[in-house]
Amino acid sequence: EAGVTQSPTHLIKTRGQQATLRCSPISGHTSVYWYQQALGLGLQFLLWYDEGEERNRGNFPPRFSGRQFPNYSSELNVNALELEDSALYLCASSPGRRPVPYGYTFGSGTRLTVV
Amino acid sequence: QKEVEQNSGPLSVPEGAIASLNCTYSDRGSQSFFWYRQYSGKSPELIMSIYSNGDKEDGRFTAQLNKASQYVSLLIRDSQPSDSATYLCAARDSNYQLIWGAGTKLIIKP
Repeated sequence: EAGVTQSPTHLIKTRGQQATLRCSPISGHTSVYWYQQALGLGLQFLLWYDEGEERNRGNFPPRFSGRQFPNYSSELNVNALELEDSALYLCASSPGRRPVPYGYTFGSGTRLTVV
Repeated sequence: QKEVEQNSGPLSVPEGAIASLNCTYSDRGSQSFFWYRQYSGKSPELIMSIYSNGDKEDGRFTAQLNKASQYVSLLIRDSQPSDSATYLCAARDSNYQLIWGAGTKLIIKP
């Protein structure tokens, strides 16, 4: 079974540009979560999508946005990039909003560098 | 505000000893708890989950849960240098989301 896949692995952008990051969840998973992890810091929750809808959003400015497609894959867009957006962006998936205990499975991440 | 708290460390443990990692959570509605291991520059990897009070063992790892005290712990027996990593504790809330601790950095000294 394929795991969570993220692309690209690395991305270098100039300040002010836009970045698009992509995530494909595990087959059968309907929820996708996005996290930002700056170097040496903890996971910062960005967005949660489930069955095509945004279910929750972390404390980030509106220039961080995304969407989930009918096949449950997801895209994270970051507009007007700033130097402090440089971080590892992690995508995770889960089976969705079900009363069954489960954790998240993470992809390998996209390392975004803003210069 | 739902919170999961962990000592940031670093926790230094001699090779072969038992490493003990602790976590407390604020949401009494949380029923499921998870421990993830994260190597530097890599993504978190699920190593243990626990849902019932008591102990759950898997190889060298034992997770312990005390819902009355809102306390979760992870014991690593016979610690190896390869266990050196940051360990993240997470609690699943009533909205199906995981609430994360900031992580404890564990260093196993040969």
